[in-house]
Amino acid sequence: NAGVTQTPKFRVLKTGQSMTLLCAQDMNHEYMYWYRQDPGMGLRLIHYSVGEGTTAKGEVPDGYNVSRLKKQNFLLGLESAAPSQTSVYFCASSRLMSGAYEQYFGPGTRLTVT
Amino acid sequence: DQQVKQNSPSLSVQEGRISILNCDYTNSMFDYFLWYKKYPAEGPTFLISISSIKDKNEDGRFTVFLNKSAKHLSLHIVPSQPGDSAVYFCAGRDNYGQNFVFGPGTRLSVLP
Repeated sequence: NAGVTQTPKFRVLKTGQSMTLLCAQDMNHEYMYWYRQDPGMGLRLIHYSVGEGTTAKGEVPDGYNVSRLKKQNFLLGLESAAPSQTSVYFCASSRLMSGAYEQYFGPGTRLTVT
Repeated sequence: DQQVKQNSPSLSVQEGRISILNCDYTNSMFDYFLWYKKYPAEGPTFLISISSIKDKNEDGRFTVFLNKSAKHLSLHIVPSQPGDSAVYFCAGRDNYGQNFVFGPGTRLSVLP
């Protein structure tokens, strides 16, 4: 049982390049999330999904797109990377159950945009 | 505007003593609060949660207290152990949807 995995672990991009971060979970969770964490700040929600084929914007969605074509995968795309997107990105998943809102996080992807 | 605040960036405690981590929030729409622990180079892991209709929840060495009128949460760890040294995040769930708002974290150091 791998839980939540993220690919890649590290990446360096030049300004204007694009990339996709992949998140996979094997817990059959309905909900999936993408967060970013910057120094001195908590995790900020970028986008989330409440089920296959559905996505919604979080607190800081600008510059990112997401897709959830399969229940177990949640992709985060950067179409034209900017230095302000240098951050650590965390994916998480959770169950569809009232009162059981705890999220299970992946190990993170450290992205640097130069 | 920070909806969830953790005003102590760091805290040091002696092993065996109590650790108290505090969290304040401004959003009255939060219906659940959660605490997570994070080690370096790892993702956060869930510790304990509390519903907004309760004032206390306990799980082993961890107890969370909620004072809804003061919009204040605290996490108590008793007794503290060196393995508890980590960054602790408080988070609130907005009952409008699956929107979770995290505080900036408090770094706890438990000294042997």
